[in-house]
Amino acid sequence: EVQLVESGGGLVQPGRSLRLSCAVSGFNVDEYAMHWVRQAPGKGLEWVSGINWNRGKILYADSVMGRFTISRDNVNNSLYLEMSSLRPDDTARYYCAKSLYSRGWYELDYWGQGTLVTVSS
Amino acid sequence: SSDLTQDPAVSVALGQTVTITCQGDSLKNTFASWYQQKPGQAPVLVIYGDNRRPSEIPDRFSGSNSGNTASLTITGTRAGDEADYYCNSRATSGGVVFGGGTKLTVL
Repeated sequence: EVQLVESGGGLVQPGRSLRLSCAVSGFNVDEYAMHWVRQAPGKGLEWVSGINWNRGKILYADSVMGRFTISRDNVNNSLYLEMSSLRPDDTARYYCAKSLYSRGWYELDYWGQGTLVTVSS
Repeated sequence: SSDLTQDPAVSVALGQTVTITCQGDSLKNTFASWYQQKPGQAPVLVIYGDNRRPSEIPDRFSGSNSGNTASLTITGTRAGDEADYYCNSRATSGGVVFGGGTKLTVL
């Protein structure tokens, strides 16, 4: 059974850092593209970052470029999002999601339940 | 532009057919995928590729693509279909882009 479980969210002050994790089971993270997608309270989905199956493509939304870093641990079968210089407008539920196809990109067939990040003083 | 545009809200009578649209330049070169999101839940993929459905999605859901517009059609709409619907595609920049979402109300 495919499962994605995010963790690491919480309340953080502006300017500080936070690391999100996504523990995966039921498939190998190095065989699919993996993404972080966020949703601010009451708002729509916003793509944050993605890494393709062979790490040949790592991309970020303009809103997080230079502040967030996506990474993957094939041994622990996990996805990470290192977030720095956090701002109040980064407040959102952060979902990790898996691409449908082994070498696919944007079609996302499994999502975690998300972890809530609140940036506030 | 990498934006995908959706109508913010659409309503449909119970049992009727509704179409939700998604427009954007990226759709000229790639199919849209569609996601259903109910309150407090993660999004669920309902349509991908050329009108393909995950096995658990009923055939009341269908998709189509023409030019820069993608459409999601729900026939025989049920109360349980009330949700937010999002389209997405590969962005022209290479990343991923989501539409702003359409809130479907079933009357």
